[in-house]
Amino acid sequence: EAGVTQSPTHLIKTRGQQATLRCSPISGHTSVYWYQQALGLGLQFLLWYDEGEERNRGNFPPRFSGRQFPNYSSELNVNALELEDSALYLCASSLAGGRTGELFFGEGSRLTVL
Amino acid sequence: QKEVEQDPGPLSVPEGAIVSLNCTYSNSAFQYFMWYRQYSRKGPELLMYTYSSGNKEDGRFTAQVDKSSKYISLFIRDSQPSDSATYLCAMSRVGSNYKLTFGKGTLLTVNP
Repeated sequence: EAGVTQSPTHLIKTRGQQATLRCSPISGHTSVYWYQQALGLGLQFLLWYDEGEERNRGNFPPRFSGRQFPNYSSELNVNALELEDSALYLCASSLAGGRTGELFFGEGSRLTVL
Repeated sequence: QKEVEQDPGPLSVPEGAIVSLNCTYSNSAFQYFMWYRQYSRKGPELLMYTYSSGNKEDGRFTAQVDKSSKYISLFIRDSQPSDSATYLCAMSRVGSNYKLTFGKGTLLTVNP
């Protein structure tokens, strides 16, 4: 069974540009989560999508946004990129009714902002 | 005070050693406690999962939760070079399965 897949693996942008990251959850998983793993800061919760709706967001500015498609895949958009947005962006999925906190992570998309 | 504190290490041990990894936390609402393992350039994978206080054993791994002290531990027995990775503790409140609060991770190297 395929795990969570993310694309692109690496992305290089300059300040002020926009970045779009993509995620496909494990088949049968309806919830998708986005986390940011910045150097020295650990994993920080960004966004949670379930059944096509944004259910909750972490303490990030509105220029971080996304959506979930009918096939449960998801996009994360980061507008007006800043240098401190450089990080590994991890997508995770979970089974509806699964154990609390049991997330299955992809390998991440590394965003570098120059 | 950060919600979750974890010693970043790095921790270097010889093969076969017993490894102890720890996290402390401040939010008494946390009920679910997890340990994730992250190999270099990979995403985290769930290693151990515990609800509330107590111990859980899975092969060479034992997770302990002491809610009275707000302290969780992961023990690795007979450590192997393949255990070399970053270990992340994570916790969640009831009803908040969407949001895990992670420690910063401890980098472990097991030397053959």
